[in-house]
Amino acid sequence: QVQLQESGPGLVKPSQTLSLICTVSGGSISSGGYYWSWIRQHPGGGLEWIGYKYNSGATYYNPSLKSRATISLDTSKNQFSLNLSSVTVADTAVYYCARVGTGRLEATIHHWFDPWGQGTPVTVSS
Amino acid sequence: DIQMTQSPSSLSASVGGRVTITCRASQDISSFLAWFQQKPGKAPKSLIYAASSLQSGVPSKFSGSGSGTDFTLTISSLQPEDFATYYCQQYKSYPFTFGQGTRLEIK
Repeated sequence: QVQLQESGPGLVKPSQTLSLICTVSGGSISSGGYYWSWIRQHPGGGLEWIGYKYNSGATYYNPSLKSRATISLDTSKNQFSLNLSSVTVADTAVYYCARVGTGRLEATIHHWFDPWGQGTPVTVSS
Repeated sequence: DIQMTQSPSSLSASVGGRVTITCRASQDISSFLAWFQQKPGKAPKSLIYAASSLQSGVPSKFSGSGSGTDFTLTISSLQPEDFATYYCQQYKSYPFTFGQGTRLEIK
């Protein structure tokens, strides 16, 4: 079964770039039919979708991040990554990676976010 | 952005009981609605997508219904492992958005 594992620095200074990696095992990120996504959970508990990328290259981001986020796929390592530039304390959160399946149900295309990684906490502080 | 509002924010129930959680979208999202369960210190787990389709491996005690703007998640025969926080999410349009969560506690 597919498993995802996040890795990256737990502490980042304000104005720097946060870089996280999600390593996928048990399946290939080159497989068709899946997007590869990042989601974060703020200290108060709220979940925020950051964005996702298809292996064909199509990428969608949450506009709330004001173009600071970049998601990339590395098929040679079976990993995908998140770079978030110009971080502030508001970017302090637990960051999750997830696979997003797509499929047709009753003539419409649906998504399912499954599985998720265990999450990695990131603190932005000087 | 589409706003997702869950009610109640928290509720308590007894083992063996049944609960219903409501999620309302700020505009019509058809059936593009998912439900997740999250336990403390763990990642969210997918329960339902397409408003009522059970994720593989999820027991049938979980059921979802609704379309348009109003949705419900029902959990029957509550067991201790079901006490967690539940989130709804719309994926009708970008950016995908989540409800604020409903915390289910043991009475």
